[in-house]
Amino acid sequence: DAKTTQPTSMDCAEGRAANLPCNHSTISGNEYVYWYRQIHSQGPQYIIHGLKNNETNEMASLIITEDRKSSTLILPHATLRDTAVYYCIVRVVNYGQNFVFGPGTRLSVLP
Amino acid sequence: DTAVSQTPKYLVTQMGNDKSIKCEQNLGHDTMYWYKQDSKKFLKIMFSYNNKELIINETVPNRFSPKSPDKAHLNLHINSLELGDSAVYFCASSQDTGETQYFGPGTRLLVL
Repeated sequence: DAKTTQPTSMDCAEGRAANLPCNHSTISGNEYVYWYRQIHSQGPQYIIHGLKNNETNEMASLIITEDRKSSTLILPHATLRDTAVYYCIVRVVNYGQNFVFGPGTRLSVLP
Repeated sequence: DTAVSQTPKYLVTQMGNDKSIKCEQNLGHDTMYWYKQDSKKFLKIMFSYNNKELIINETVPNRFSPKSPDKAHLNLHINSLELGDSAVYFCASSQDTGETQYFGPGTRLLVL
């Protein structure tokens, strides 16, 4: 079972920042927070991951609260191509741990 | 220069047939996976495999069998196809077990 809770859906205006929340109140100290997205009819795409520090790459920023019980994925300037289902996943980075995908958040970027 | 590729993209077949889906990765990764995404859009791990070990999700019927001719390929063979096998099957790979996984484009299987 997924260890995260995400809103079912969200809308965002094109060009604005999209902030996708994720609750993971039972996260363990050695579990990372991963974000993937799945654009319609495509395979899941890795976005970013982090342990406790905030992370940023060319796609997005990941903000993890100090208690690590929640996080936010930020797409700084959403485009129509960012419309997708976004999955927040927590997992231990070690042998045998696989990704458990929940239902995710369906983000619709509106023109 | 696709990192993880799958063939075919679409597969329509009759109940009872045997079929294979192929997956290739050119990332030099050591571990490959198969996932199933059903009509409710839940993505579930079926297998993870590297040179050392095959890990099978216990809920996967034994009609499904992964076959790896070499480190860059992990094919999925399905015997005696059933209606409930209709789904999208995704292959993925990672540098090692536990690392970030990269997914292929999916194979859409429809069993009639």
